[in-house]
Amino acid sequence: GIQVEQSPPDLILQEGANSTLRCNFSDSVNNLQWFHQNPWGQLINLFYIPSGTKQNGRLSATTVATERYSLLYISSSQTTDSGVYFCAVGHNFNKFYFGSGTKLNVKP
Amino acid sequence: DTAVSQTPKYLVTQMGNDKSIKCEQNLGHDTMYWYKQDSKKFLKIMFSYNNKELIINETVPNRFSPKSPDKAHLNLHINSLELGDSAVYFCASSPPTGIYTFGSGTRLTVV
Repeated sequence: GIQVEQSPPDLILQEGANSTLRCNFSDSVNNLQWFHQNPWGQLINLFYIPSGTKQNGRLSATTVATERYSLLYISSSQTTDSGVYFCAVGHNFNKFYFGSGTKLNVKP
Repeated sequence: DTAVSQTPKYLVTQMGNDKSIKCEQNLGHDTMYWYKQDSKKFLKIMFSYNNKELIINETVPNRFSPKSPDKAHLNLHINSLELGDSAVYFCASSPPTGIYTFGSGTRLTVV
């Protein structure tokens, strides 16, 4: 299968700070998504981004498929951003390989 | 209206029992999935169904049997439950683009 490594594993931020989360993967992929798992366990799709750059409010993501990595940027972090961020990749949409996640704690 | 709904949300049962988890999606997606999240938060695919047909079976013990009566439903039946089956089970669905919508999860505890 595809190996997916996320860094850092844990991140503590003061509210208002910016951060960058990284996802490296071991094979070429046609599908890459970022998810946020909130403290209540709900998994929310943030971005579908097999290549290129996308922005949604304070969040943006960039995937450089040729170099097998993706970055998730969080600007002006808020306490509601806390949770675990997962990167998931796949050759197609039928099967995703998830990274082990970055656990983010934003303190007020 | 919940897009992907799973029931029950919590399930506590004894070893050896048989249990089922139900999943329904009202998004009109053709593909549905079961993922397992272990105690370390690691997510791994178990099954993938496309239009009621099994397309991915990821070396899951045959005690786990998915059933898709129609493309809006994907249920998971587990026989002879073991302690190691304790986990959170997520149902998800997607259109052909593969953008996932997850259910809220079922926390299974085997005692």
